Amino acid sequence: DGGITQSPKYLFRKEGQNVTLSCEQNLNHDAMYWYRQDPGQGLRLIYYSQIVNDFQKGDIAEGYSVSREKKESFPLTVTSAQKNPTAFYLCAGRQRNTGELFFGEGSRLTVL
Amino acid sequence: KQEVTQIPAALSVPEGENLVLNCSFTDSAIYNLQWFRQDPGKGLTSLLLIQSSQREQTSGRLNASLDKSSGRSTLYIAASQPGDSATYLCAGLNAGGTSYGKLTFGQGTILTVHP
Repeated sequence: DGGITQSPKYLFRKEGQNVTLSCEQNLNHDAMYWYRQDPGQGLRLIYYSQIVNDFQKGDIAEGYSVSREKKESFPLTVTSAQKNPTAFYLCAGRQRNTGELFFGEGSRLTVL
Repeated sequence: KQEVTQIPAALSVPEGENLVLNCSFTDSAIYNLQWFRQDPGKGLTSLLLIQSSQREQTSGRLNASLDKSSGRSTLYIAASQPGDSATYLCAGLNAGGTSYGKLTFGQGTILTVHP
């Protein structure tokens, strides 16, 4: 089976804790993205990476951190500095030649 | 900064109708424009991708057009079915400058097709 794999699907966190969301791909995508989606809203870009060991902030990067040590992996850490972390998080990879974007199934984070 | 707007925000139609969803963008320097479908609680599924050099793409009952000069794209759904009920989103991939590689999404159109 291939594609973009996100884990866990559901995650609960206490206030003040950091949590890391996993995103793995076996599609050989150079570029990967993290988006946040709140109820009834569109997607907002958190971070994106166009190549290994490089990443750029999106529109709402505060309170989040990422790493891109391997092409296949782009984990997102939601830190305690993120004031409203409860949301649906989506990871995506972009095909090099066409630019087509492919998404994972998402991770739903709830802060208790 | 690229801004993407989708109209209408919600649409309810009877089964069998043909319908049009609209997407407008402010920066015409896009590499491509992509339409997605999202079912509740799920990730996004790619429907159609239009490169900046193309004017339209078709897949089954779906047809998407792109007019870069006017900053508009439309998604046409023919003979709608209840299974088409979902949220439809469009996204533009920035072609250059400091925003190269960045995708900007619209807020989506919630489509309900009733039997």
